[in-house]
Amino acid sequence: EVQLLESGGGLVQPGGSLRLSCAASGFRFSSFAMSWVRQAPGKGLEWLSVISGSGDITDADSVKGRFTISRDNSKNTLYLQLNSLRAEDTALYYCAKALKTSRTDAFDIWGQGTMVTVSS
Amino acid sequence: EVVLTQSPATLSLSPGERATLSCRASQSVSNYLAWYQQKPGQAPRLLIYDASNRATGIPGRFSGSGSGTDFTLTISSLEPEDFAVYYCQQRNINNWPLTFGGGTKVEMK
Repeated sequence: EVQLLESGGGLVQPGGSLRLSCAASGFRFSSFAMSWVRQAPGKGLEWLSVISGSGDITDADSVKGRFTISRDNSKNTLYLQLNSLRAEDTALYYCAKALKTSRTDAFDIWGQGTMVTVSS
Repeated sequence: EVVLTQSPATLSLSPGERATLSCRASQSVSNYLAWYQQKPGQAPRLLIYDASNRATGIPGRFSGSGSGTDFTLTISSLEPEDFAVYYCQQRNINNWPLTFGGGTKVEMK
């Protein structure tokens, strides 16, 4: 079964950091681009960052310089390092698999999400 | 940035009725548009990719159409499990960032 499982969310103070992980199973992880998408409480979806199977990265302007996507293909795991967190970063963070190999493909598999709450 | 505007914001319909959801892009995205369904407490689910291709396992009552700037998701006959929020998303490689529309909620009348 194709599956994505996020972890690493939690409560953090403004200015703090977190590292999110997304463990993949059931597919050839290294062949597919992977993205992070977030959803603030009661709001819509916001794409954050994508990394190709070979490591090419594109970020949304809203997170450039603060969030860093990475992957370890040997561990079938995707990461998102979140630094300088702000209250407006409070959201459910999803990892999502690209349908095909392109970084811009639609997202065919999503994890269940991990909640990040930024508050003092 | 490509802005996707979905309309209506809310659609109130009864089971068995036809649902027509619109997504308009601020500039052409060719056919690089996807549709997702999201139910409360669940992750989004891919329904349609590249404007008109149904994703694996998606029932035939879901169909997508359009190209350029105007797109439509049609649910031919609503089932009880179809009441949810629907998002469109563009993936044109010439138009980073990838963007989502604000969503259309299909609610039971």
